[in-house]
Amino acid sequence: EAEVAQSPRYKITEKSQAVAFWCDPISGHATLYWYRQILGQGPELLVQFQDESVVDDSQLPKDRFSAERLKGVDSTLKIQPAELGDSAMYLCASSFSVDNEQFFGPGTRLTVL
Amino acid sequence: GDSVTQMEGPVTLSEEAFLTINCTYTATGYPSLFWYVQYPGEGLQLLLKATKADDKGSNKGFEATYRKETTSFHLEKGSVQVSDSAVYFCALSFTGNQFYFGTGTSLTVIP
Repeated sequence: EAEVAQSPRYKITEKSQAVAFWCDPISGHATLYWYRQILGQGPELLVQFQDESVVDDSQLPKDRFSAERLKGVDSTLKIQPAELGDSAMYLCASSFSVDNEQFFGPGTRLTVL
Repeated sequence: GDSVTQMEGPVTLSEEAFLTINCTYTATGYPSLFWYVQYPGEGLQLLLKATKADDKGSNKGFEATYRKETTSFHLEKGSVQVSDSAVYFCALSFTGNQFYFGTGTSLTVIP
């Protein structure tokens, strides 16, 4: 069964360092989402791609976060520099189109020390 | 703005007990409503959904009915199992727009 892949599964870093997360959506899924899930809360959308274009990044802290999906397939989310408050689970999801069910990856758990 | 409010947890039930997890929403218009489940160490999985008023979503013994008059989408299961232990998220979405998730309700089922 096709799945959304994410790596790494766990990342520990020190504040002020740079971190990057990778997501490979289900093949053929044009829409890709990055969410942040703080412990004890629901996921919050950071950025949404349609193919290689950003369609919503209104909640992305652009001073330190960046996201790209250069070829409209896999995607990278970067944080530079990381802050203590960035500790969270970062979830990637994909869907065939914006009207379809979102399929989530297992997430990357980030701990900033 | 659009939002979802879920019953706070954690919830602990004995096996075969009846489950209700309350969810209410605030939205300008008529969104689609969803329940997602997150098992330990995994991503979210869609459990069920309803796209219009009075629709009932169902899956794996879980049910939820879209109630426009009470702006609710409560999750129910008649007899829970240990394997149902997970965190459950209520969410809403308008076509073509982002999802709004509730804060999640942790369920633990004990044998």
